[in-house]
Amino acid sequence: GEDVEQSLFLSVREGDSSVINCTYTDSSSTYLYWYKQEPGAGLQLLTYIFSNMDMKQDQRLTVLLNKKDKHLSLRIADTQTGDSAIYFCAADSSNTGKLIFGQGTTLQVKP
Amino acid sequence: GAVVSQHPSWVICKSGTSVKIECRSLDFQATTMFWYRQFPKQSLMLMATSNEGSKATYEQGVEKDKFLINHASLTLSTLTVTSAHPEDSSFYICSARVKRTGISSTDTQYFGPGTRLTVL
Repeated sequence: GEDVEQSLFLSVREGDSSVINCTYTDSSSTYLYWYKQEPGAGLQLLTYIFSNMDMKQDQRLTVLLNKKDKHLSLRIADTQTGDSAIYFCAADSSNTGKLIFGQGTTLQVKP
Repeated sequence: GAVVSQHPSWVICKSGTSVKIECRSLDFQATTMFWYRQFPKQSLMLMATSNEGSKATYEQGVEKDKFLINHASLTLSTLTVTSAHPEDSSFYICSARVKRTGISSTDTQYFGPGTRLTVL
């Protein structure tokens, strides 16, 4: 079945850029998503990208998609301490329409 | 827009009791809602897909008689954990699917804040 993989941990200094990477296996996934989860909370949809796009920018967030390599990344510019959270990459399953989640990347922002 | 609420946000119950968790879409109608379970420091595990007016579809390994799902209206789905045991303690998160119009009919899931269940 579909699989989504992420690195588990990233530590950056406040003000630096953060890049969180994700790979997926279903080449027919139509949309790919980034969600943010703060401790004890649900998931907040940050952004998504349609599979025929290479890049999408939304304020401090930039999503890059390499469909050939099935690689997705989320870049957070000028990372702030409030960005500390777990970030989940998700791909929609072409067969079922369900979301397949990665393991989540814990972003730690040091002052 | 696209706000999803859950109630309660946390619950502590005794072993053997049943607990009901509500998931509501506040500003949109959701024909489909999803129920997930999340263990500490782990990803979300899909438990079931809840469709308004029909029976829920459960993922493999999820006991439908233990986790009862009802989707009685376009804005409300409930998950009842029956005869709860300590191993059912977890963070339960629901999501509601919003139909997206435009290039593709693929939908977006918006998540509730989660319910922390602790079974003593």
